[in-house]
Amino acid sequence: GAVVSQHPSWVICKSGTSVKIECRSLDFQATTMFWYRQFPKQSLMLMATSNEGSKATYEQGVEKDKFLINHASLTLSTLTVTSAHPEDSSFYICSARDRWVFNPFTDTQYFGPGTRLTVL
Amino acid sequence: SQQGEEDPQALSIQEGENATMNCSYKTSINNLQWYRQNSGRGLVHLILIRSNEREKHSGRLRVTLDTSKKSSSLLITASRAADTASYFCATDAWYNAGGTSYGKLTFGQGTILTVHP
Repeated sequence: GAVVSQHPSWVICKSGTSVKIECRSLDFQATTMFWYRQFPKQSLMLMATSNEGSKATYEQGVEKDKFLINHASLTLSTLTVTSAHPEDSSFYICSARDRWVFNPFTDTQYFGPGTRLTVL
Repeated sequence: SQQGEEDPQALSIQEGENATMNCSYKTSINNLQWYRQNSGRGLVHLILIRSNEREKHSGRLRVTLDTSKKSSSLLITASRAADTASYFCATDAWYNAGGTSYGKLTFGQGTILTVHP
């Protein structure tokens, strides 16, 4: 159980285009999903927290107009990289929390396999 | 420096040896988690230790947590070549934003472990 999928697993696009990445919780409902970015040989950096039915909370330094997040249902969150540029090339990873399992001491996020974005 | 710093940055050992990685953090936490990531792949959750626990075991993994020193260590015993990967600690803590509290994970910089056969 507790599987999170991402689509696509990799994408190559031209500079200036927009790219949408989907994150789905397959066997549980997630009121909260998270989007991370990871540059080569670096750690994961949280970009934003996505809450179902409300606006996402962005981390400091993350442009909300560039990285559009939509959490339209309890099993789907999307990240759209608008007007992508080569510096946006990165590994994007989402995670989700099970809405019915919430204990701050034992709570675990379930991570997707990641999406590798390359902007030419 | 940021929450969740790890050392060493890289560790190279022979198969059969033990590998120890350390993680330090700055704020109060709900729990601390360790993850593994093979090159270019997603994260694998290894173990979670709650803030009121001091030690936890899972197979060849042993994790300790010292909240007074705000530090944790991950020990992998009898390492195997298949253990070669990057290992990250992540602290789960409450944050306030615009009057709303929410929990989030903050990752350390990671340790690259290479186990030579």
